[in-house]
Amino acid sequence: DADVTQTPRNRITKTGKRIMLECSQTKGHDRMYWYRQDPGLGLRLIYYSFDVKDINKGEISDGYSVSRQAQAKFSLSLESAIPNQTALYFCATTGTGSYNDQFFGPGTRLTVL
Amino acid sequence: GESVGLHLPTLSVQEGDNSIINCAYSNSASDYFIWYKQESGKGPQFIIDIRSNMDKRQGQRVTVLLNKTVKHLSLQIAATQPGDSAVYFCAERVSELSFGAGTTVTVRA
Repeated sequence: DADVTQTPRNRITKTGKRIMLECSQTKGHDRMYWYRQDPGLGLRLIYYSFDVKDINKGEISDGYSVSRQAQAKFSLSLESAIPNQTALYFCATTGTGSYNDQFFGPGTRLTVL
Repeated sequence: GESVGLHLPTLSVQEGDNSIINCAYSNSASDYFIWYKQESGKGPQFIIDIRSNMDKRQGQRVTVLLNKTVKHLSLQIAATQPGDSAVYFCAERVSELSFGAGTTVTVRA
């Protein structure tokens, strides 16, 4: 089984709709992240969480919100989707050691019409 | 602008040759660097990392070189194989990871 799972894998929605993307991990990590990926821009950090009670804004948090329901679950919401939020979204986790890489989920492709 | 970037967006390599992928970073306070590989339809996967107190680290068929003087990072892949075709990202860390845009590597048979 995958260590980091994301649902849905693909979603097409309309402008103004509320969308939730979900992420679950079985690695037992405390730290979880949401990124978006756009062609030519690399990964950009939306939100991150160091534990259930700790939520932090990333580089591009406007238009997004998150919820850390449990250590293993971190969801990303688009309150009112707009077309420029069309992108590939990745969830990632990392351990709390000084030098730890991030483990990524398979991604969610979101299209906002 | 981006603090991390790759010199070339694409790289075409003959199977069996060595590949060199370059990355420039701008933050001299970065203490940790990672190379990721992303295959089509998948999330990024860790390849190799290096701490700022090192200048070279080797893995299986891969070597990462760090030149802090010119803020340059490179990934060398030995004997490139078709399965190496992917997008390669470098990432640097000051507080959290910051990613470059990626280089698309295509391996020619």
